[in-house]
Amino acid sequence: DIQLTQSPSFLSASVGDRVTITCRASQGISSYLAWYQQEPGKAPKLLIYAASTLQSGVPSRFSGSGSGTDFTLTISGLQPEDSATYYCQQLNSYPLTFGGGTKVEIK
Amino acid sequence: QLQLQESGPGLVRPSETLSLTCTVSGGSISSSNYYWGWIRQPPGKGLEWIGNIYYSGNTYYTPSLESRVTISMDTSKSQFSLNITSVTAADTAVYYCARGGTYEIDIWGQGTMVTVSS
Repeated sequence: DIQLTQSPSFLSASVGDRVTITCRASQGISSYLAWYQQEPGKAPKLLIYAASTLQSGVPSRFSGSGSGTDFTLTISGLQPEDSATYYCQQLNSYPLTFGGGTKVEIK
Repeated sequence: QLQLQESGPGLVRPSETLSLTCTVSGGSISSSNYYWGWIRQPPGKGLEWIGNIYYSGNTYYTPSLESRVTISMDTSKSQFSLNITSVTAADTAVYYCARGGTYEIDIWGQGTMVTVSS
């Protein structure tokens, strides 16, 4: 199974800050990586797919990069509504797996 | 637009079978471009992929649940279902149904809470 390690598990930042979340895969997954945002009590929402493609309707302050084993999700200009937990997921091979999540708090 | 809705009992007794159904509306379940799957989230914890089913009928399951899980599809009803046998308290979670593609899971149901308790 491919393990995904997200870091940090928690971060606190101010409105307007640039925030970066890292996802590392235990083996190469090409660009088969997606990022999701989950607000409390809600279903996850797709932000980024194929490592760097922005899902339709998602604000452009969200961006993704990486390939192989190392990936990042960046929020450029953190907004109050970005307070949520973020998950990466690999879709390179079965079983599909998720990272442990990163909770983002607004100071 | 396409929507997914989970349904089923919110309380299941230990050792019994958890059964959930996902109804697809606003689009076709009979597409070779997508798969249909289940993901769960125990209270306060992260996401766990359970399994997928393709229109062809092919299924894939997470190894830790494979001996207890079955996912099936009824295209005539635009539904797919999840069965987990011999449940324990560890199966208590919010269960999501979802549609996936090559690079992403793009549509999620709202989720349904299932509690395993006597």
